[in-house]
Amino acid sequence: AQSVTQPDIHITVSEGASLELRCNYSYGATPYLFWYVQSPGQGLQLLLKYFSGDTLVQGIKGFEAEFKRSQSSFNLRKPSVHWSDAAEYFCAVGANGQNFVFGPGTRLSVLP
Amino acid sequence: DAMVIQNPRYQVTQFGKPVTLSCSQTLNHNVMYWYQQKSSQAPKLLFHYYDKDFNNEADTPDNFQSRRPNTSFCFLDIRSPGLGDAAMYLCATSRDRSGEQFFGPGTRLTVL
Repeated sequence: AQSVTQPDIHITVSEGASLELRCNYSYGATPYLFWYVQSPGQGLQLLLKYFSGDTLVQGIKGFEAEFKRSQSSFNLRKPSVHWSDAAEYFCAVGANGQNFVFGPGTRLSVLP
Repeated sequence: DAMVIQNPRYQVTQFGKPVTLSCSQTLNHNVMYWYQQKSSQAPKLLFHYYDKDFNNEADTPDNFQSRRPNTSFCFLDIRSPGLGDAAMYLCATSRDRSGEQFFGPGTRLTVL
């Protein structure tokens, strides 16, 4: 069965600084990988996804993520964070025919 | 726009009083999911429907039931809510089990 870890429970960055949120997964084959964002009291919104092909994936709101098979990672990045990016971020892993497994989430705070 | 709709957004019930949460979708997706999310935690899958096939997670309490009368609608019934059932309940849909999931805004359940 697949599993997901997000090592950072809470990250604080200054507005305009770069951001990297870490995600590591465990799965025997190539997984389907997702990043979701959740603002307080809201549902989850898909930022980006990786199924196959180019390992650098572009998403919405200026986010990108890179799939590194050798490191079993799918880290999320943004070159310049905006105050509106403060939210909870979830990495998720899917596998063919199986349900998602969500990571525990990373809460992002943005300092003005 | 195609979307996932959850009603109501906020639900207050009394301890032990049955409650039903509603989810509808205009995406015509095969799979509908119900998740429970408690504060600062990842969503926890309760069950899902693949078309008419119901799939219950092993650790979902018997107190939680679901109905999917047609492709568009899915209901979550909590037969005897306890204080521990207070949470955000998220509905999601996907075309197939391992594809990206589209989430509704959630229903915040309060148990008095």
